[in-house]
Amino acid sequence: NAGVTQTPKFQVLKTGQSMTLQCAQDMNHNSMYWYRQDPGMGLRLIYYSASEGTTDKGEVPNGYNVSRLNKREFSLRLESAAPSQTSVYFCASKLGASNQPQHFGDGTRLSIL
Amino acid sequence: RKEVEQDPGPFNVPEGATVAFNCTYSNSASQSFFWYRQDCRKEPKLLMSVYSSGNEDGRFTAQLNRASQYISLLIRDSKLSDSATYLCVVNRGSSSASKIIFGSGTRLSIRP
Repeated sequence: NAGVTQTPKFQVLKTGQSMTLQCAQDMNHNSMYWYRQDPGMGLRLIYYSASEGTTDKGEVPNGYNVSRLNKREFSLRLESAAPSQTSVYFCASKLGASNQPQHFGDGTRLSIL
Repeated sequence: RKEVEQDPGPFNVPEGATVAFNCTYSNSASQSFFWYRQDCRKEPKLLMSVYSSGNEDGRFTAQLNRASQYISLLIRDSKLSDSATYLCVVNRGSSSASKIIFGSGTRLSIRP
């Protein structure tokens, strides 16, 4: 009963390092999303993939890239990490229909020193 | 003005009380609506969808008022475990994620 799985759960990076956050879902969902949430703030959409083979920018895409590897997997890459990217990152997925809710992974807590 | 607005709270109510939150949305093309709860440092979890005719799930009742463009969540007989942040989510009717809008959340604290 995995749902949406994110790895790693915690990561500390130095400024300028790169890393990839992994997300996989086993619910056969079409759409996948990456959000960031800063302390005391709401969710902000970074990138999304409406279906396999497509990706689009969200509200705050700068400094990030994504890959929709297949229907199950959607990764988020930080090419050169900056302290401003310290945040909790959530991956979500949903069926394509507009009346379906999103389901979230349990997050990756990322600190950039 | 934000497209989806919620009173940030915090609402601090005694156990057993009834509490209600509203969430207003500005785009009349919005089609589907949800309430999520988020515990501190955890992921948002779906609490319930909101249907046009209103719907109930145990102690929780959700209502939609399209004319006034708001949705509401009523919690009866509140429990300590209801303490969380409640997020209002509005979908403007496309599978495109850019039309899924999250409110900033309403904090609820239930005291013994």
